[in-house]
Amino acid sequence: EPEVTQTPSHQVTQMGQEVILRCVPISNHLYFYWYRQILGQKVEFLVSFYNNEISEKSEIFDDQFSVERPDGSNFTLKIRSTKLEDSAMYFCASRGLAGRTGELFFGEGSRLTVL
Amino acid sequence: ILNVEQSPQSLHVQEGDSTNFTCSFPSSNFYALHWYRWETAKSPEALFVMTLNGDEKKKGRISATLNTKEGYSYLYIKGSQPEDSATYLCAREGGGGADGLTFGKGTHLIIQP
Repeated sequence: EPEVTQTPSHQVTQMGQEVILRCVPISNHLYFYWYRQILGQKVEFLVSFYNNEISEKSEIFDDQFSVERPDGSNFTLKIRSTKLEDSAMYFCASRGLAGRTGELFFGEGSRLTVL
Repeated sequence: ILNVEQSPQSLHVQEGDSTNFTCSFPSSNFYALHWYRWETAKSPEALFVMTLNGDEKKKGRISATLNTKEGYSYLYIKGSQPEDSATYLCAREGGGGADGLTFGKGTHLIIQP
């Protein structure tokens, strides 16, 4: 069964360092998302991506964040200069041709710990 | 600020009993309501996506209803089994071109044998 895969599963980094989280969405999907969950809090929307550009982003997704789909298979989230409050579980998700009436398929998440 | 609320926060149910829990959401500018099942150390898995007022969907022993006018959805589990233990997340999707989901905090369900 096709699945969304994410790497790394856990990354520990120093404050101020750049981090790249990688996702391989399901191959024929068109819509891509990043969400995050800070421990004990709700799952929060960060950004959606369609047709090689950001279609929506939340207030959390400031200039320190960027996304890229460099090669048609990977979908990456970059945090330029990490802060302590960026520590969270980051989930990638993708959605297929059904678009906004379809379900999201989530990866297992990348846990980011900023020290 | 859009607030999606789920209740109860956690629930212990005896194996074999039926149970239900609630998701409430702002009814204005509504597009779709999603339910996801999230087991520990796994990824959230979609259960239902509902868009129309009065929608009812069923998958095995799990079903859901949607009231878009008053802004709530119920998830029902009939004859709970230990494998139903998980966190159940609902998420509201807004209209007007917005395609991010706003999640509730989830209902953590524990089935006791």
